[in-house]
Amino acid sequence: DSGVTQTPKHLITATGQRVTLRCSPRSGDLSVYWYQQSLDQGLQFLIQYYNGEERAKGNILERFSAQQFPDLHSELNLSSLELGDSALYFCASSTSGSPYNEQFFGPGTRLTVL
Amino acid sequence: GQNIDQPTEMTATEGAIVQINCTYQTSGFNGLFWYQQHAGEAPTFLSYNVLDGLEEKGRFSSFLSRSKGYSYLLLKELQMKDSASYLCAVSLPRGRDDKIIFGKGTRLHILP
Repeated sequence: DSGVTQTPKHLITATGQRVTLRCSPRSGDLSVYWYQQSLDQGLQFLIQYYNGEERAKGNILERFSAQQFPDLHSELNLSSLELGDSALYFCASSTSGSPYNEQFFGPGTRLTVL
Repeated sequence: GQNIDQPTEMTATEGAIVQINCTYQTSGFNGLFWYQQHAGEAPTFLSYNVLDGLEEKGRFSSFLSRSKGYSYLLLKELQMKDSASYLCAVSLPRGRDDKIIFGKGTRLHILP
């Protein structure tokens, strides 16, 4: 158990819909990272927040957005969902905003778009 | 563009040694991570190399050559529980897109 929690574990929805994934980092960690993992693309970095502010951006689509709240939990919003958005979404946390720090991954949210 | 290559699959025998290679071509480099991921589970951190050379941590060691764009993960005294995917990832300097890039992973099968 990494100490990072994600909800929900599974999510099934239809194309065109909008969903919100939630992540609570380890106690004391200020950084939250979001990743998408699909069978053909592997693990893709989406976005990083540090202490409430966006820190780094990866391959995040414009239909996706994220935020980190004052209590440091984070939400990833996915809208106008397409079949190709079906994937495992991981959240990870680390103590600082530096890329050198070990990241602790949550158990993931499996999103299925029908 | 950014590219990380690692073998798709490898097979080794319990008790043996296996080396998983990773080569990268990226515009910038901060360091290189290795993660282990069991099927259906989250990745777990194994190592982070910034400088050239070998870093040993128990049964696992990781090597980096920055000039060659090359790293390997060495697993000794293989156990059945080492059957997993091993992900190589490069951390890029701030200001670059794709701050952390992952390879597609190497699926390691351990035979008894």
